[in-house]
Amino acid sequence: DTAVSQTPKYLVTQMGNDKSIKCEQNLGHDTMYWYKQDSKKFLKIMFSYNNKELIINETVPNRFSPKSPDKAHLNLHINSLELGDSAVYFCASSQDWGSGELFFGEGSRLTVL
Amino acid sequence: SQELEQSPQSLIVQEGKNLTINCTSSKTLYGLYWYKQKYGEGLIFLMMLQKGGEEKSHEKITAKLDEKKQQSSLHITASQPSHAGIYLCGADIGTSYGKLTFGQGTILTVHP
Repeated sequence: DTAVSQTPKYLVTQMGNDKSIKCEQNLGHDTMYWYKQDSKKFLKIMFSYNNKELIINETVPNRFSPKSPDKAHLNLHINSLELGDSAVYFCASSQDWGSGELFFGEGSRLTVL
Repeated sequence: SQELEQSPQSLIVQEGKNLTINCTSSKTLYGLYWYKQKYGEGLIFLMMLQKGGEEKSHEKITAKLDEKKQQSSLHITASQPSHAGIYLCGADIGTSYGKLTFGQGTILTVHP
């Protein structure tokens, strides 16, 4: 069973559209994250939730809205997609807040045309 | 400049050779984590270092955190094609607790 699963794996869409990426973890972890990896492979944190509560919001544009219906799920919705949003988005989870041992999903490659 | 600098950015070695990847910070590292990423996949946790001078090993991979806790090295002995991938160091560097900052990654290619 996949520990952290995210869907879809690939997403190609036009500028201006709205899209969502879903993430689920079956590890019983308290904390979940969204990271963005750009074309240069640089990985940056976007959001972090602990027990469904938003803890970190790294000055991400308001077009990005995370939602955590329960602590096993953290979804990412993006409005009015722009070319610069093209990247690989990784979901991750950790046992608890402050743990640096993260379990990552396989990533969702978003291409905005 | 990045808060965590990795060197080299890329590395090509022949199978069986030893290699070292470095991760340097200008600030004290409160926890240093090494991850490996294979193409098209997520990151896999390798090791965590917290104490100055600490050294850990897993199979043929050894990681150290220097005494001042501002630099870490990852050493692979007798490299194999299975070691190929992107190695990233991540750290809690005190800017915000619980926020893991990553280096830019080192791309390792191992030729058989």
